[in-house]
Amino acid sequence: EDQVTQSPEALRLQEGESSSLNCSYTVSGLRGLFWYRQDPGKGPEFLFTLYSAGEEKEKERLKATLTKKESFLHITAPKPEDSATYLCALARTDSWGKLQFGAGTQVVVTP
Amino acid sequence: DTAVSQTPKYLVTQMGNDKSIKCEQNLGHDTMYWYKQDSKKFLKIMFSYNNKELIINETVPNRFSPKSPDKAHLNLHINSLELGDSAVYFCASSHTSRGQEQFFGPGTRLTVL
Repeated sequence: EDQVTQSPEALRLQEGESSSLNCSYTVSGLRGLFWYRQDPGKGPEFLFTLYSAGEEKEKERLKATLTKKESFLHITAPKPEDSATYLCALARTDSWGKLQFGAGTQVVVTP
Repeated sequence: DTAVSQTPKYLVTQMGNDKSIKCEQNLGHDTMYWYKQDSKKFLKIMFSYNNKELIINETVPNRFSPKSPDKAHLNLHINSLELGDSAVYFCASSHTSRGQEQFFGPGTRLTVL
């Protein structure tokens, strides 16, 4: 059975303190690994899609990487506005649109 | 110019009632989805429609019935509401059924008393 496990569950950072979130997964055929950001009371907002091991994508202070077993979301020099829950999700090769989400990592960045 | 909108934002109702949630997207996408986010924050897909055709139908009680009158709208009707139906329901859309980038609505928080 496919699994998506995110760690840690929660992360508290000082402004400027870089860190990484982990998303480990098991799937028989990976089509894509997705990262979303969710603010309280809002819907998830798409950040990145990674398709193959070794791929990296960046957006402002965020950088996502992918291996055959896990993905990392690196937050460099975070700011308070980076506070959110970060969700990863996978899509299988035989059901692209059916995203399976992890439980998320709640990130709080304090000034 | 909201991309994916849902109504209502909040819904409080009694057990046994029937209720509907509406979703509209103005992105010109072909595919729409319903997700349920429970109290533990897990997002789980329920249904997906591609151009008005049901393409994903997860193991969901048949009290839940989606309807897509056209590709810009996807509604969710729930019969005989139960306490366990309390959750946040999100609508999403994507350009195609390959769903690479899904755009989510703001969610509807359903509370069943």
